[in-house]
Amino acid sequence: GQQLNQSPQSMFIQEGEDVSMNCTSSSIFNTWLWYKQDPGEGPVLLIALYKAGELTSNGRLTAQFGITRKDSFLNISASIPSDVGIYFCAPSNFGNEKLTFGTGTRLTIIP
Amino acid sequence: KAGVTQTPRYLIKTRGQQVTLSCSPISGHRSVSWYQQTPGQGLQFLFEYFSETQRNKGNFPGRFSGRQFSNSRSEMNVSTLELGDSALYLCASSLGGLDGPQHFGDGTRLSIL
Repeated sequence: GQQLNQSPQSMFIQEGEDVSMNCTSSSIFNTWLWYKQDPGEGPVLLIALYKAGELTSNGRLTAQFGITRKDSFLNISASIPSDVGIYFCAPSNFGNEKLTFGTGTRLTIIP
Repeated sequence: KAGVTQTPRYLIKTRGQQVTLSCSPISGHRSVSWYQQTPGQGLQFLFEYFSETQRNKGNFPGRFSGRQFSNSRSEMNVSTLELGDSALYLCASSLGGLDGPQHFGDGTRLSIL
């Protein structure tokens, strides 16, 4: 069956540091989405990627859709306290609204 | 623009009961999907409705069912509740198909006693 691996599982960083996380899949996808979830809330869409090789930025966030269509990474530059939360990758295919979620990366900022 | 609204936010039930959760999608969105989130299994897809028809289905037992109304609002029903059904149930809406990603509500926290 399809495998989706997200790493790292957790990160402990200091404010101002850069962060990198990634997802790899055994299957090909046409879309890679990245979401952030805060406690008690639903996931919020950060970045959507629709083309292999695409590199997209949203403020301090940058994500890339891997050229093989089996992976994606998300970078956060100069982290700030509000970046704390759980980040999920969620690939899917066009016309199919079923999202497969990664296991999440929990980001903690150490004072 | 109002986001996805889920009601109720919290619910406590006992084993054997049934429950109905409601989701109002973003105006204009015709696709509504439901997900279950638990610490052990993460976020798992339940089903998706588009224009009142179930279009996609995950691997959950038949106790989990849903429907969508003509105004795109959706309900999810779980019958004969089990302890393992305790979870955060999330609803997401989208335009459907190629037209845009899914946007989530804040979920309904269901606790089974």
